[in-house]
Amino acid sequence: QQQVKQSPQSLIVQKGGISIINCAYENTAFDYFPWYQQFPGKGPALLIAIRPDVSEKKEGRFTISFNKSAKQFSLHIMDSQPGDSATYFCAAGPGGSQGNLIFGKGTKLSVKP
Amino acid sequence: DAMVIQNPRYQVTQFGKPVTLSCSQTLNHNVMYWYQQKSSQAPKLLFHYYDKDFNNEADTPDNFQSRRPNTSFCFLDIRSPGLGDAAMYLCATHMSGGSTDTQYFGPGTRLTVL
Repeated sequence: QQQVKQSPQSLIVQKGGISIINCAYENTAFDYFPWYQQFPGKGPALLIAIRPDVSEKKEGRFTISFNKSAKQFSLHIMDSQPGDSATYFCAAGPGGSQGNLIFGKGTKLSVKP
Repeated sequence: DAMVIQNPRYQVTQFGKPVTLSCSQTLNHNVMYWYQQKSSQAPKLLFHYYDKDFNNEADTPDNFQSRRPNTSFCFLDIRSPGLGDAAMYLCATHMSGGSTDTQYFGPGTRLTVL
């Protein structure tokens, strides 16, 4: 019940294309779903996050879609750019007091010029 | 301005030689985490402090210890590093009861064990 499954493991997209990364969780007690972006040699940085009271959240070119009944959420990167090339981690957690997160295994995104 | 600071950024140690990694934060967050991240893998939670309360993950080896002398600082001690402990060590912070559940990560310390 504690796993977060992320796919694909790697993704190659042409510049200007749409990158889509999917995650699925098991624990229905989770109510905080962030996406982190990590560049080589750097720590993860929060990209965008959603709570289950909304089905979609958009910030610039980044959109999270959330399906509570299916226990799935996805990250869409519109107009992908070479600078978006990084590893993306989804995570899930109960939020609140201690905020412990369970991370997916990560997706390495390469955006080709 | 850096909010979660980790020192050193790169640490080389010898097999079995104790090493200490440090983390400091300017956010005044009450929760601090230590993660281990190996190449091409997700961060793995080792333990966390909720205020002064230490919470160890069940599968964290005894070789790993932590200290939090005050709100701002947290240390990771590896008592006898093995070759398998070579990894990036990430510190993160979180404000319990705050307006967001975000964890803020430091840049990490890359540990090499010779």
